Amino acid sequence: GAGVSQSPSNKVTEKGKDVELRCDPISGHTALYWYRQSLGQGLEFLIYFQGNSAPDKSGLPSDRFSAERTGGSVSTLTIQRTQQEDSAVYLCASSPRGSSYEQYFGPGTRLTVT
Amino acid sequence: AQTVTQSQPEMSVQEAETVTLSCTYDTSESDYYLFWYKQPPSRQMILVIRQEAYKQQNATENRFSVNFQKAAKSFSLKISDSQLGDAAMYFCAYRSGDTLAGSYQLTFGKGTKLSVIP
Repeated sequence: GAGVSQSPSNKVTEKGKDVELRCDPISGHTALYWYRQSLGQGLEFLIYFQGNSAPDKSGLPSDRFSAERTGGSVSTLTIQRTQQEDSAVYLCASSPRGSSYEQYFGPGTRLTVT
Repeated sequence: AQTVTQSQPEMSVQEAETVTLSCTYDTSESDYYLFWYKQPPSRQMILVIRQEAYKQQNATENRFSVNFQKAAKSFSLKISDSQLGDAAMYFCAYRSGDTLAGSYQLTFGKGTKLSVIP
């Protein structure tokens, strides 16, 4: 079956612009995660959605970052007023439920802020 | 907070030989899971192997096996009969087993870049 998909694959934006990154999880997976992979910081957790529960936003680095998950499926990560330090690969993962062992990752979106 | 440390930024191995990647972690929890993920240039993270902390037996998946030393908080990955397709970044990751905490995110090490020499 189809895996986790993310779009766009690559995004170049100017400093100060807003960007939206999309994640389509595996159908039926109730848990969804966003991670950021950057050269200096490695892989960092950003946010976690589980079903209709309130998301765990504890990893979001600033209030410029937000995410939503509509209808328990597609998720959008929004970065407002992008800064150069936001340049990174943003990875999305899903799992059948939060307690599931394995997280299935998408190919990521590479964001470059110029 | 949990931390995961991979002390080898880069490793290389001859094709068909064996290589071991190191990982240590720090936690005060007794129930947790440990993982090794592979990330090829395509960027897609692929689960290689997992270990439940309550299991004493080391996990094995074909050519991949782990040496899990709970008391030492060590979780190394051994790749036997290395193949060219094994070349990738390898990440060690930790996940809490406390279902009441509701936090199932992975904490990753900084990765080890493995090169396989033909």
